[in-house]
Amino acid sequence: DTGVSQDPRHKITKRGQNVTFRCDPISEHNRLYWYRQTLGQGPEFLTYFQNEAQLEKSRLLSDRFSAERPKGSFSTLEIQRTEQGDSAMYLCASSLPGTSGGAGEQFFGPGTRLTVL
Amino acid sequence: AQKITQTQPGMFVQEKEAVTLDCTYDTSDQSYGLFWYKQPSSGEMIFLIYQGSYDEQNATEGRYSLNFQKARKSANLVISASQLGDSAMYFCAMRDRGAGGTSYGKLTFGQGTILTVHP
Repeated sequence: DTGVSQDPRHKITKRGQNVTFRCDPISEHNRLYWYRQTLGQGPEFLTYFQNEAQLEKSRLLSDRFSAERPKGSFSTLEIQRTEQGDSAMYLCASSLPGTSGGAGEQFFGPGTRLTVL
Repeated sequence: AQKITQTQPGMFVQEKEAVTLDCTYDTSDQSYGLFWYKQPSSGEMIFLIYQGSYDEQNATEGRYSLNFQKARKSANLVISASQLGDSAMYFCAMRDRGAGGTSYGKLTFGQGTILTVHP
Protein backbone atom coordinates (compact mmCIF):
# COMPACT_ATOMS: atom_id res chain seq x y z
CA ASP A 1 0.00 0.00 0.00
CA THR A 2 1.61 3.27 -1.07
CA GLY A 3 -0.98 5.66 0.37
CA VAL A 4 -0.77 7.89 3.43
CA SER A 5 -0.78 5.87 6.64
CA GLN A 6 -1.56 6.96 10.17
CA ASP A 7 -1.01 5.27 13.49
CA PRO A 8 -2.84 4.56 15.69
CA ARG A 9 -6.26 4.50 14.08
CA HIS A 10 -8.00 4.95 17.42
CA LYS A 11 -6.80 6.37 20.72
CA ILE A 12 -8.71 6.62 23.97
CA THR A 13 -7.05 8.58 26.73
CA LYS A 14 -7.88 10.24 30.00
CA ARG A 15 -7.93 13.98 30.37
CA GLY A 16 -4.52 15.34 31.21
CA GLN A 17 -2.55 12.61 29.49
CA ASN A 18 -0.20 13.19 26.55
CA VAL A 19 -0.78 11.49 23.21
CA THR A 20 1.31 11.22 20.05
CA PHE A 21 0.15 10.36 16.55
CA ARG A 22 2.26 9.35 13.58
CA CYS A 23 1.78 10.00 9.87
CA ASP A 24 3.71 8.42 7.02
CA PRO A 25 3.14 10.32 3.76
CA ILE A 26 3.39 9.06 0.20
CA SER A 27 7.13 8.65 -0.33
CA GLU A 28 7.70 11.22 -3.08
CA HIS A 29 5.54 13.90 -1.43
CA ASN A 30 7.48 16.63 0.34
CA ARG A 31 4.40 18.47 1.66
CA LEU A 32 2.69 17.08 4.75
CA TYR A 33 -0.43 18.57 6.36
CA TRP A 34 -2.32 17.99 9.60
CA TYR A 35 -6.05 18.70 9.96
CA ARG A 36 -8.59 18.15 12.72
CA GLN A 37 -12.18 17.14 12.02
CA THR A 38 -15.02 17.10 14.53
CA LEU A 39 -18.26 15.25 13.93
CA GLY A 40 -20.37 16.74 11.15
CA GLN A 41 -17.82 19.42 10.25
CA GLY A 42 -15.23 19.90 7.56
CA PRO A 43 -11.56 19.40 8.40
CA GLU A 44 -9.77 22.36 9.96
CA PHE A 45 -6.15 23.10 9.16
CA LEU A 46 -3.60 22.69 11.95
CA THR A 47 -0.14 22.88 10.40
CA TYR A 48 1.96 21.88 7.43
CA PHE A 49 5.51 21.02 6.49
CA GLN A 50 7.66 21.23 3.43
CA ASN A 51 10.31 18.61 3.97
CA GLU A 52 11.36 19.12 7.61
CA ALA A 53 10.42 22.81 7.75
CA GLN A 54 7.14 23.72 9.44
CA LEU A 55 5.81 26.46 7.17
CA GLU A 56 2.53 27.41 8.77
CA LYS A 57 0.62 26.84 11.99
CA SER A 58 -3.02 27.61 12.62
CA ARG A 59 -4.09 29.78 15.51
CA LEU A 60 -6.12 26.71 16.50
CA LEU A 61 -2.86 25.03 17.39
CA SER A 62 -2.46 25.89 21.05
CA ASP A 63 0.80 25.55 22.94
CA ARG A 64 -0.29 22.06 23.95
CA PHE A 65 0.04 20.91 20.35
CA SER A 66 3.37 20.30 18.68
CA ALA A 67 4.22 18.73 15.37
CA GLU A 68 7.54 17.56 13.98
CA ARG A 69 8.89 16.11 10.79
CA PRO A 70 12.51 15.58 11.75
CA LYS A 71 13.86 13.93 8.61
CA GLY A 72 11.35 15.20 6.11
CA SER A 73 9.61 11.85 5.93
CA PHE A 74 7.14 10.82 8.66
CA SER A 75 5.59 13.33 11.02
CA THR A 76 4.35 13.22 14.59
CA LEU A 77 1.64 15.29 16.24
CA GLU A 78 1.75 15.46 20.03
CA ILE A 79 -1.00 16.78 22.27
CA GLN A 80 0.03 17.47 25.84
CA ARG A 81 -2.38 17.60 28.80
CA THR A 82 -5.32 16.50 26.67
CA GLU A 83 -8.72 18.06 27.22
CA GLN A 84 -12.16 16.71 26.32
CA GLY A 85 -12.39 19.35 23.58
CA ASP A 86 -9.46 17.68 21.84
CA SER A 87 -11.67 14.71 20.96
CA ALA A 88 -11.74 14.63 17.16
CA MET A 89 -10.44 12.87 14.07
CA TYR A 90 -6.89 13.93 13.27
CA LEU A 91 -6.19 13.72 9.56
CA CYS A 92 -2.84 13.75 7.81
CA ALA A 93 -2.40 14.52 4.13
CA SER A 94 0.50 14.81 1.73
CA SER A 95 1.07 16.35 -1.66
CA LEU A 96 3.69 16.81 -4.32
CA PRO A 97 5.97 19.86 -4.28
CA GLY A 98 4.50 23.15 -5.41
CA THR A 99 6.93 23.26 -8.30
CA SER A 100 5.58 20.05 -9.78
CA GLY A 101 2.61 21.76 -11.41
CA GLY A 102 -0.80 20.17 -11.81
CA ALA A 103 -3.52 20.11 -9.25
CA GLY A 104 -1.30 19.36 -6.29
CA GLU A 105 -4.15 17.56 -4.65
CA GLN A 106 -3.69 16.42 -1.09
CA PHE A 107 -3.96 12.72 -0.43
CA PHE A 108 -5.42 11.93 2.97
CA GLY A 109 -4.71 9.13 5.38
CA PRO A 110 -7.43 7.20 7.24
CA GLY A 111 -7.12 9.45 10.30
CA THR A 112 -6.61 8.88 14.00
CA ARG A 113 -9.76 9.12 16.09
CA LEU A 114 -8.99 10.55 19.53
CA THR A 115 -11.40 10.22 22.44
CA VAL A 116 -10.55 12.06 25.64
CA LEU A 117 -12.47 10.82 28.66
CA ALA B 1 -9.27 35.12 4.99
CA GLN B 2 -10.67 32.45 2.77
CA LYS B 3 -14.14 31.04 3.27
CA ILE B 4 -16.09 28.19 1.71
CA THR B 5 -19.86 27.94 2.05
CA GLN B 6 -21.93 24.85 1.34
CA THR B 7 -25.57 25.69 1.96
CA GLN B 8 -27.07 22.23 1.46
CA PRO B 9 -26.71 20.13 4.62
CA GLY B 10 -28.29 17.16 2.84
CA MET B 11 -29.31 16.19 -0.68
CA PHE B 12 -31.28 13.25 -2.04
CA VAL B 13 -31.12 11.87 -5.57
CA GLN B 14 -32.54 8.90 -7.39
CA GLU B 15 -30.11 6.38 -8.74
CA LYS B 16 -29.00 7.16 -12.34
CA GLU B 17 -30.06 10.78 -12.09
CA ALA B 18 -27.76 13.81 -11.95
CA VAL B 19 -27.28 15.96 -8.86
CA THR B 20 -25.62 19.34 -8.23
CA LEU B 21 -23.90 20.15 -4.95
CA ASP B 22 -23.45 23.87 -4.31
CA CYS B 23 -20.29 25.63 -3.21
CA THR B 24 -19.49 29.33 -2.99
CA TYR B 25 -16.19 30.78 -1.92
CA ASP B 26 -14.67 34.04 -0.84
CA THR B 27 -11.06 35.07 -1.29
CA SER B 28 -9.02 38.13 -2.11
CA ASP B 29 -6.37 36.05 -3.87
CA GLN B 30 -6.16 36.03 -7.66
CA SER B 31 -4.56 32.59 -7.74
CA TYR B 32 -6.27 29.76 -5.93
CA GLY B 33 -7.41 26.19 -6.39
CA LEU B 34 -10.80 24.64 -5.77
CA PHE B 35 -11.26 20.99 -4.85
CA TRP B 36 -14.02 18.55 -4.14
CA TYR B 37 -13.50 15.62 -1.80
CA LYS B 38 -15.77 12.70 -0.95
CA GLN B 39 -15.85 11.23 2.54
CA PRO B 40 -17.71 7.90 2.83
CA SER B 41 -18.82 6.56 6.17
CA SER B 42 -15.44 4.83 6.45
CA GLY B 43 -13.95 8.29 7.03
CA GLU B 44 -11.22 8.56 4.41
CA MET B 45 -11.13 11.71 2.29
CA ILE B 46 -11.10 10.92 -1.43
CA PHE B 47 -10.04 13.54 -3.99
CA LEU B 48 -12.58 13.94 -6.81
CA ILE B 49 -11.84 16.98 -8.95
CA TYR B 50 -9.80 20.18 -9.15
CA GLN B 51 -10.32 23.59 -10.75
CA GLY B 52 -7.61 26.24 -10.95
CA SER B 53 -8.65 29.86 -10.77
CA TYR B 54 -7.07 30.57 -14.15
CA ASP B 55 -8.56 27.53 -15.89
CA GLU B 56 -10.96 28.72 -18.57
CA GLN B 57 -12.73 25.40 -19.03
CA ASN B 58 -14.75 23.59 -16.41
CA ALA B 59 -12.97 20.55 -15.01
CA THR B 60 -14.34 17.07 -15.67
CA GLU B 61 -13.34 13.70 -14.23
CA GLY B 62 -15.50 10.83 -15.38
CA ARG B 63 -18.97 11.32 -13.90
CA TYR B 64 -17.85 14.41 -12.00
CA SER B 65 -17.80 17.91 -13.43
CA LEU B 66 -17.20 21.24 -11.78
CA ASN B 67 -19.40 24.16 -12.79
CA PHE B 68 -16.98 27.04 -12.21
CA GLN B 69 -18.46 30.55 -12.31
CA LYS B 70 -15.64 32.86 -11.29
CA ALA B 71 -17.63 36.09 -11.28
CA ARG B 72 -20.19 34.53 -8.95
CA LYS B 73 -17.45 32.81 -6.92
CA SER B 74 -19.17 29.48 -7.21
CA ALA B 75 -17.75 26.01 -7.87
CA ASN B 76 -20.63 23.55 -7.92
CA LEU B 77 -20.06 19.82 -8.27
CA VAL B 78 -22.23 17.94 -10.74
CA ILE B 79 -22.45 14.17 -10.43
CA SER B 80 -24.04 12.51 -13.42
CA ALA B 81 -25.70 9.08 -13.42
CA SER B 82 -25.68 8.76 -9.63
CA GLN B 83 -24.80 5.39 -8.15
CA LEU B 84 -25.61 3.94 -4.73
CA GLY B 85 -21.89 4.11 -3.91
CA ASP B 86 -22.01 7.89 -4.30
CA SER B 87 -23.81 8.17 -0.96
CA ALA B 88 -21.32 10.04 1.23
CA MET B 89 -20.36 13.43 2.64
CA TYR B 90 -18.98 15.82 0.03
CA PHE B 91 -16.65 18.70 0.85
CA CYS B 92 -15.71 21.70 -1.23
CA ALA B 93 -12.29 23.13 -0.40
CA MET B 94 -10.06 26.01 -1.44
CA ARG B 95 -6.28 25.98 -1.46
CA ASP B 96 -4.42 29.17 -0.78
CA ARG B 97 -1.02 30.17 -2.02
CA GLY B 98 0.78 28.99 1.07
CA ALA B 99 3.60 30.34 3.16
CA GLY B 100 6.20 32.38 1.35
CA GLY B 101 4.06 32.62 -1.74
CA THR B 102 4.57 28.96 -2.64
CA SER B 103 1.71 27.55 -4.59
CA TYR B 104 0.59 24.60 -2.47
CA GLY B 105 -0.85 25.93 0.74
CA LYS B 106 -3.44 24.65 3.15
CA LEU B 107 -7.01 23.70 2.31
CA THR B 108 -10.00 25.52 3.76
CA PHE B 109 -13.07 23.29 3.78
CA GLY B 110 -16.79 23.96 3.74
CA GLN B 111 -19.25 22.37 6.13
CA GLY B 112 -20.07 19.56 3.74
CA THR B 113 -23.18 18.15 2.09
CA ILE B 114 -24.47 14.66 2.83
CA LEU B 115 -25.63 13.01 -0.39
CA THR B 116 -28.01 10.08 -0.25
CA VAL B 117 -28.67 8.09 -3.42
CA HIS B 118 -31.96 6.19 -3.44
CA PRO B 119 -32.41 3.02 -5.54
